[in-house]
Amino acid sequence: QLQLQESGPGLVKPSETLSLTCTVSGGSISSSTHYWGWIRQPPGKGFEWIGSVYYTGGTNYNPSLKSRVTMSVESSKNQFSLKLTSVTAADTAVYYCVRHVRDYDTFTGYLYWYFDLWGRGTLVTVSS
Amino acid sequence: QSVLTQPPSVSAAPGQKVTISCSGSSSNIGNSYVSWYQHLPGTAPKLLIYDNNKRPSGIPDRFSGSKSGTSATLGITGLQTGDEAVYYCGTGGTSLSAGGVFGGGTKLTVL
Repeated sequence: QLQLQESGPGLVKPSETLSLTCTVSGGSISSSTHYWGWIRQPPGKGFEWIGSVYYTGGTNYNPSLKSRVTMSVESSKNQFSLKLTSVTAADTAVYYCVRHVRDYDTFTGYLYWYFDLWGRGTLVTVSS
Repeated sequence: QSVLTQPPSVSAAPGQKVTISCSGSSSNIGNSYVSWYQHLPGTAPKLLIYDNNKRPSGIPDRFSGSKSGTSATLGITGLQTGDEAVYYCGTGGTSLSAGGVFGGGTKLTVL
């Protein structure tokens, strides 16, 4: 059974870089049908998609965060990672790693966009 | 402020049925398939519905989804106390590169 587990520092100082890793267990990260992504949830708020990465390294970021986000895949370790630079208190959130289905239905013109597997999440607090 | 609009809370008695609405626009729900997620605090959110009305393996048929125009609905029948959770809708945006959006979540209380 495929599982995702986030890891990384729980406390980051303002203006520094937030770095998280997601380890995929019970299956391979080298899936041709899925992307791997990050979603966050600030305290008391809803979910925000941060971005997603394909096992070959191709990326797709939320336009509102794109200038600060880098995602990468390390297939040999079955891991993918998130770096978010120049963090502020507004970046304090529970960060979830996810498996992402994203595609285009050529018949209907609709977008497929959903997250079929989530990690338990890790709280990252930005504070000095 | 979330892009998709959901009621903050709904409630119903055990055994009853409840529906949760999700309202969007032509730039999101009107352009994409809708998904629904169940989230109990401290646990991994779970995909309940994808492609408007499909259930992943292991999700009981008490959960159903529908979509009409720029709105979607999650239905839960035969309510159980274990269904108490926060439910979120999600969908894509104007294009794959533009990303996707979520609703603000609806807290379901089973009285």
